[in-house]
Amino acid sequence: TQLLEQSPQFLSIQEGENLTVYCNSSSVFSSLQWYRQEPGEGPVLLVTVVTGGEVKKLKRLTFQFGDARKDSSLHITAAQPGDTGLYLCAGAFQAAGNKLTFGGGTRVLVKP
Amino acid sequence: DTAVSQTPKYLVTQMGNDKSIKCEQNLGHDTMYWYKQDSKKFLKIMFSYNNKELIINETVPNRFSPKSPDKAHLNLHINSLELGDSAVYFCASSPVPGQSSGANVLTFGAGSRLTVL
Repeated sequence: TQLLEQSPQFLSIQEGENLTVYCNSSSVFSSLQWYRQEPGEGPVLLVTVVTGGEVKKLKRLTFQFGDARKDSSLHITAAQPGDTGLYLCAGAFQAAGNKLTFGGGTRVLVKP
Repeated sequence: DTAVSQTPKYLVTQMGNDKSIKCEQNLGHDTMYWYKQDSKKFLKIMFSYNNKELIINETVPNRFSPKSPDKAHLNLHINSLELGDSAVYFCASSPVPGQSSGANVLTFGAGSRLTVL
């Protein structure tokens, strides 16, 4: 069974600060996705990364995929209260038929 | 126009009852899923259907029975509800497997919060 570990589980910061969320596995991902979930809603896709070493930017969000494709990070610059939510990484593993496995999530709270 | 819609949004019921949650997607996707999110927000796949055929059936009690009348609909029926079934159930859909980066990009519904008393 492929496991994804996310850290930290919870992050509380002030508006304007930076934050980084991590997603790790002992297995190689064929691809990895980041989702954001707000209370009362379903997760919404932010980005998909496929190539080892890949970096993608989405406004103030920067996503990195590790060279070995076993880890990923999400960095938010100058966080805003609107960034508050549950951030979930989801990995696809070739051995599992590319079925998505979700990490436990990181709850981010950005205080004004 | 909601892409993936599920009903009801909230469901409160007694132990032992039978209940259903319905899901519909208007994205033209071939694959639909049911996920369960527990109180710790851990999201776990239950079932996956591709064009009305069951392709993933994780270790889920057989009290849970999915039904897909057509590829735009995937309903979930739960018999003899137990306290541990309380959770938020998410329906999701994705394009045909293999189309995008070797993995499916999921579009989720807003969830159905089930509370069993």
